[in-house]
Amino acid sequence: AQSVTQPDIHITVSEGASLELRCNYSYGATPYLFWYVQSPGQGLQLLLKYFSGDTLVQGIKGFEAEFKRSQSSFNLRKPSVHWSDAAEYFCAVAPWGANNLFFGTGTRLTVIP
Amino acid sequence: DAGVTQSPTHLIKTRGQQVTLRCSPISGHKSVSWYQQVLGQGPQFIFQYYEKEERGRGNFPDRFSARQFPNYSSELNVNALLLGDSALYLCASGGTGVATNEKLFFGSGTQLSVL
Repeated sequence: AQSVTQPDIHITVSEGASLELRCNYSYGATPYLFWYVQSPGQGLQLLLKYFSGDTLVQGIKGFEAEFKRSQSSFNLRKPSVHWSDAAEYFCAVAPWGANNLFFGTGTRLTVIP
Repeated sequence: DAGVTQSPTHLIKTRGQQVTLRCSPISGHKSVSWYQQVLGQGPQFIFQYYEKEERGRGNFPDRFSARQFPNYSSELNVNALLLGDSALYLCASGGTGVATNEKLFFGSGTQLSVL
């Protein structure tokens, strides 16, 4: 069965510091991979996605993610965090050919001045 | 252009009641998906509809049902509400193809509280 693990429930970083959010997945083949962000009272916004090709994916708001097949990981990074990045971040996978997403439990990001 | 709109934004029901949640996709999008997000968890897939046909169903009991109308809007119905149905219900609009998980646009959700 497909599963997505986000081992960090809550991360606190200082504004301007770098950020890495971890995501590991379990699936028989390489699925489609996504990162979404959810601000309080808001729906989910797609940050970036990986289907194939270059394993380093650029997204919106200065985020990037790297797919590592050997580690079944798809970690999200940002070189310099802004206070507006405080939100909940979800990693998701979609099996090839499926129409639904499997989400992780999320990582809450707090940004301190 | 309007994004995905959901109504109502908040809803309070009691156990055993029935509830209907509504979703209007982005103009031109033919696919609607429903997700349940329990507090502290990631969203869980409930249904996907494309061109008024059910294309996928998650692991939810038969108390959950949905339909899509000719204008591509959708309703999610939940019967015999349980306390555990309290959650944020998200609707996602998914483009013009049937394989629409490439980019889903989510609404802000309906917060359902069951007392």
